[in-house]
Amino acid sequence: EVQLLESGGGLVQPGGSLRLSCAASGFTFSSYAITWVRQAPGKGLEWVSNIGGSGAPTYYSESVKGRFTISRDNSKNTVYLQMNSLRAEDTAVYYCAKVFVGGSYSFDPWGQGTLVTVSS
Amino acid sequence: QSALTQPASVSGSPGQSITISCTGTSSDVGNYDLVSWYQQHPGKAPKLMIYEVTERPSGISNRFSGSKSGNTASLTISGLQAEDEADYYCCSYADSHWVFGGGTKLTVL
Repeated sequence: EVQLLESGGGLVQPGGSLRLSCAASGFTFSSYAITWVRQAPGKGLEWVSNIGGSGAPTYYSESVKGRFTISRDNSKNTVYLQMNSLRAEDTAVYYCAKVFVGGSYSFDPWGQGTLVTVSS
Repeated sequence: QSALTQPASVSGSPGQSITISCTGTSSDVGNYDLVSWYQQHPGKAPKLMIYEVTERPSGISNRFSGSKSGNTASLTISGLQAEDEADYYCCSYADSHWVFGGGTKLTVL
């Protein structure tokens, strides 16, 4: 069974940093891109970042470019999202998801999400 | 990247059909046959229902179907059931980015 499990969320002050992890199992990890999508409380989904199976290419939304960095360690079946210079508007549940099939541009399955709260 | 436009809410009675629209631009929906639709129940992670405009993943009911015309994609749910009540999001690839719609709350009356 394909599974993704996010961790690393929590409360952080504005301007602070946090690193999220997405641990995967049940598939050939290095063959699939992974994406991060976030959802602010009571709001819709927002695409954040994407990384290819080999670690490249990487893509970012304009709202996080220059502040967030996506990376992966295929030996650990884990993708990371390093989040720096955090702002209140970054408060959200962060989901990681696997591309549905190789070369696909859709995402499934998704993890259960990890909550990031940026507040003083 | 601006969000795709979806109606905030739609409703229907059990057994009826509903359609949710998703309007983008010639840079996203209109330029790629790479629209996907996600179902999200409260407190749960999203679930892929339709990919590449019209394709259904294995295990998804054939009551769910997708289509596209120009810059607008649509999700149709036929034979509405109580368990279909959820939020639905469209998503389009757009030149090294992805953009989601604002979401539509489906109420089954």
